[in-house]
Formats: sequence, C-alpha cells, structure tokens
Amino acid sequence: KAGVTQTPRYLIKTRGQQVTLSCSPISGHRSVSWYQQTPGQGLQFLFEYFSETQRNKGNFPGRFSGRQFSNSRSEMNVSTLELGDSALYLCASSFSVGTNSPLHFGNGTRLTVT
Amino acid sequence: DAKTTQPTSMDCAEGRAANLPCNHSTISGNEYVYWYRQIHSQGPQYIIHGLKNNETNEMASLIITEDRKSSTLILPHATLRDTAVYYCIVPRDMRFGAGTRLTVKP
Repeated sequence: KAGVTQTPRYLIKTRGQQVTLSCSPISGHRSVSWYQQTPGQGLQFLFEYFSETQRNKGNFPGRFSGRQFSNSRSEMNVSTLELGDSALYLCASSFSVGTNSPLHFGNGTRLTVT
Repeated sequence: DAKTTQPTSMDCAEGRAANLPCNHSTISGNEYVYWYRQIHSQGPQYIIHGLKNNETNEMASLIITEDRKSSTLILPHATLRDTAVYYCIVPRDMRFGAGTRLTVKP
C-alpha cells in the first residue's frame, strides 16, 4: 500500500506570494492533518480534515487555510508569505479521527521563503 | 489535553535494549499513548500505541504502568538506524513536544 504522498518536495517562494501544497493520503484513510515543523518551534498542529470538514484547527493565523476533497486528498494554502513561514510542512493521514487511529506521515514539503 | 514529559537525550549501545521513558500524569481514561520517531529530514514514523495493556509489534514494545501515568518504549536490540528523535504523545494528534533524541553508538 502506498504511503502518504506530498507534493512538491521542495518549494522556494518570495515574501508576499502565496503557495499551495498537496497531500494524497493512504488509500482508505479519510482523515488528513497538517503540521508545520521549524527548528525553533518543533512540530505544530495546523488543522485536521475528515470527510471534507475541518474538525480541528491549531493556533495559526488566517493566512493558513486548507481543504479536503471528496477523494480525501487535501491541500493547504498559505497566502501573503512571510519569512517565518519557511518550514517543513507535513501531512498525515489516518483511517478515522478516533483516538485509536494512528497518524501516518508523509515526508513533507520544505518551503523556503526569501 | 494531556501533556508528556520526556528526557531530552539518551544514548544506547548498539545491540542493547533502548528504554525510552515518558510521563503523562494527566492522561484521561480513554486516551491512547502514541510513539513516533523522526529521522532527520523525514516525516515522523508511527511506532506503536496503547491504552492500558502492554503492546508489542515488529518494531518495539510499549509498557504502560498500571496507573497509566507513565510508559516506556523498548527497542529490544537497537541498531545505528534507530538513531532518531522519539516522540511520546497524548492525545493522538496535536501536541508533539521536543521528544527524546536517541543516539545509538557502535
């Protein structure tokens, strides 16, 4: 079974631009979560989607948004990029949103904002 | 939400068992304990999870105390490839702390 696929793997943008990252979950998984990882802050939760509905959201500004499609694939968008948005963005999928449902992570998209 | 406490770093000799502790004293009755690890530049890898019984899979064993306030991840025969940051998290999704940086030495 294929793992979580994130595209692109690397991305370079300039301040003020916007970016869209894509995530394809493991087949059969209906929940997708997004995380931001930086050296200073570690892994921080952005949001979680299940059946096209956002179920949880972390403490990030409104410039960070996401969506999930009917096939469970997900995208996240960051508008008006700032230098501090440079990070590894990780997507994780799980079968459900229950507490007995492990997350399976992709290898992330490394975003550099210049 | 429950919080976890882990040592910042640990060393282990290759071939020996690595025992990684985690405290989660505020865990709720229905919350699972999850363990992940992250090798540099890769996404976290799921290892194991448990509720109150000890668990074992092909990667590791998880020992949870009877009061569920702490747990230990055991890698029975550590190899150099087990060098990574290990995260213990409760609940399953939101809070990843700094984890334990395990270094397996030859």
